[in-house]
Amino acid sequence: GALVYQYPRRTICKSGTSMRMECQAVGFQATSVAWYRQSPQKTFELIALSTVNSAIKYEQNFTQEKFPISHPNLSFSSMTVLNAYLEDRGLYLCGARDLQNSDYTFGSGTRLLVI
Amino acid sequence: GDSVTQTEGPVTLSEGTSLTVNCSYETKQYPTLFWYVQYPGEGPQLLFKVPKANEKGSSRGFEATYNKEATSFHLQKASVQESDSAVYYCALSEWGGSGNKLIFGTGTLLSVKP
Repeated sequence: GALVYQYPRRTICKSGTSMRMECQAVGFQATSVAWYRQSPQKTFELIALSTVNSAIKYEQNFTQEKFPISHPNLSFSSMTVLNAYLEDRGLYLCGARDLQNSDYTFGSGTRLLVI
Repeated sequence: GDSVTQTEGPVTLSEGTSLTVNCSYETKQYPTLFWYVQYPGEGPQLLFKVPKANEKGSSRGFEATYNKEATSFHLQKASVQESDSAVYYCALSEWGGSGNKLIFGTGTLLSVKP
């Protein structure tokens, strides 16, 4: 079946430093990858949508300068939170889908704590 | 912009009682509607989806009808079990360019007591 793994599961970084998180698709081709953030007491906010061979599209309030994303092949994506501050804490979810399946498969997320 | 609004939790029920989680949406397009379930420590899992208006989706005893006129997609289950305790998210998808975007509601925490 289709699975998405995210790592690390939990991480702590000091305020002002950066944190890279990874997303691995297994059992299908991750043609599109969506990165979401779930802040405390909030729902999932879409950060950006990446499709192989297309430009990465960032949502309002999120920028490439702050959340650079790499999607080099059909099984892997990574996102970095640059210069993290308290408001960046939360659960970062990666969802992936292929061209044949319109439904996203989500990983368990990377929980980021900023101290 | 597009949005999804759902019952604010937490919702606490006893086993065997019925569940309704309200979901309303706003969009100018013709979306597909989803219900996702999230268990502790895991990502959201698709419960079911309905791509067309006036159709019903169901899974594991849960069901919802895509009501285009009322712009609603309420989740119902006749008799909940303790294992149904989780967070439930209503969502819609809109197509744009080379991919589709999934917009989630705020989630409803369901706690079922034995």
